[in-house]
Amino acid sequence: QLQLHESGPGLVKPSETLSLTCTVSGGSISSSDFYWGWIRQPPGKGLEWIGSIYYGDSTHHSGYAFYNPSLKSRVTISADTSKNQFSLRLSSVTAADTAVYHCARHRCTSTNCPFDYWGQGTQVTVSS
Amino acid sequence: QSALTQPPSASGSPGQSVTISCTGTSNDVGAYNYVSWYQQHPGKAPKLMIYEVNKRPSGVPDRFSGSKSGNTASLTVSGLQAEDEADYYCSSYSANNFVVFGGGTKLTAL
Repeated sequence: QLQLHESGPGLVKPSETLSLTCTVSGGSISSSDFYWGWIRQPPGKGLEWIGSIYYGDSTHHSGYAFYNPSLKSRVTISADTSKNQFSLRLSSVTAADTAVYHCARHRCTSTNCPFDYWGQGTQVTVSS
Repeated sequence: QSALTQPPSASGSPGQSVTISCTGTSNDVGAYNYVSWYQQHPGKAPKLMIYEVNKRPSGVPDRFSGSKSGNTASLTVSGLQAEDEADYYCSSYSANNFVVFGGGTKLTAL
């Protein structure tokens, strides 16, 4: 059974960089069959896609990443296949970045594919 | 403000049918048959209920169905049960923004 688990600091200071890691078990992020993504949910609000990465192409060592245009200037998603993890970095954070952050798997190899497996999510609060 | 518009709440009595709408634009819902619906119970991760407008993943009861007309997609829950009480989010592929979500609808079983 595929499982995803988010980890990282629960508190980040304004203007600093938020860093989270998603550890995948029961499947490989190097699989050519899936994309992997990050989604967040601010308190009392809806879901927001942050970005996704595809690491199944052996000819492209850093993977292909796709980002929400509204966050693109601040976001980097990368992967560590040796640890079967992918990571999120969000720079210059403000209180508006306070949210529960989920990692998830697209059920096929495109961003038009829905998310079929999700992590439980991790709360990140931006505050001094 | 979310890219897709959903009513904040919906309700129905057990056994009734309830429909939740999701309105987008000709750049997302209206352009592609890549609309998904997710169910989220409090404190839990979202669960995929419908994908590609009207397809159900294995294990999702056939009480849940999806449809689309123009720029509006809909999720219908037939024979509403107490366990269906949750937040529901629609999502669509968008050529401009790749993945967009709705603001969510809280479904209450009266």
